[in-house]
Amino acid sequence: NAGVTQTPKFRVLKTGQSMTLLCAQDMNHEYMYWYRQDPGMGLRLIHYSVGEGTTAKGEVPDGYNVSRLKKQNFLLGLESAAPSQTSVYFCASSYPTSGRSGANVLTFGAGSRLTVL
Amino acid sequence: GENVEQHPSTLSVQEGDSAVIKCTYSDSASNYFPWYKQELGKRPQLIIDIRSNVGEKKDQRIAVTLNKTAKHFSLHITETQPEDSAVYFCAARGFSGGYNKLIFGAGTRLAVHP
Repeated sequence: NAGVTQTPKFRVLKTGQSMTLLCAQDMNHEYMYWYRQDPGMGLRLIHYSVGEGTTAKGEVPDGYNVSRLKKQNFLLGLESAAPSQTSVYFCASSYPTSGRSGANVLTFGAGSRLTVL
Repeated sequence: GENVEQHPSTLSVQEGDSAVIKCTYSDSASNYFPWYKQELGKRPQLIIDIRSNVGEKKDQRIAVTLNKTAKHFSLHITETQPEDSAVYFCAARGFSGGYNKLIFGAGTRLAVHP
């Protein structure tokens, strides 16, 4: 049981290049999330998914796209990388809650450090 | 949408002292408030959470209090130890867009000095 696995762990891109971060979970979680972590700004939600085939925008979605073709995978894409996208990216997953009650207990991946030159 | 503010951004205490971190949230519909701890170079992990129908929750040396009227909640760590040194994030569950999701505060870097 690996939990949440992110690949790659490190990547350096040049401005304008594209790339995809892969998140895989083996806990049968319905919900998956992509956050970015920057110094002094905490964890900001980029996009999230509440089930296979669904995606929704978070707080900072511009410049990113996502896909959830399989329940266990959540991909984050950068079509044209910019230096402002230099960050540590965390994927997380959770079980759905019962309506608006219950707990969103997130299990995080180890993070992917992206540098855009 | 939901907005979460967290203070202080850094906190330095002596071993054995108490530490308090405070957060405020904007969405009065929020009903779930977790706290995550992130040690240096590691992933965030849940340490305690509280739901809106409870005013206080304790787990050994950590406790969380919630004031729904004022829309703020706090993390209290007593008898701090060097292994408590980490970045702590509060979060609140927002409901904008029809789906519930966690919005995090900016984090507090806690340093516990022996």
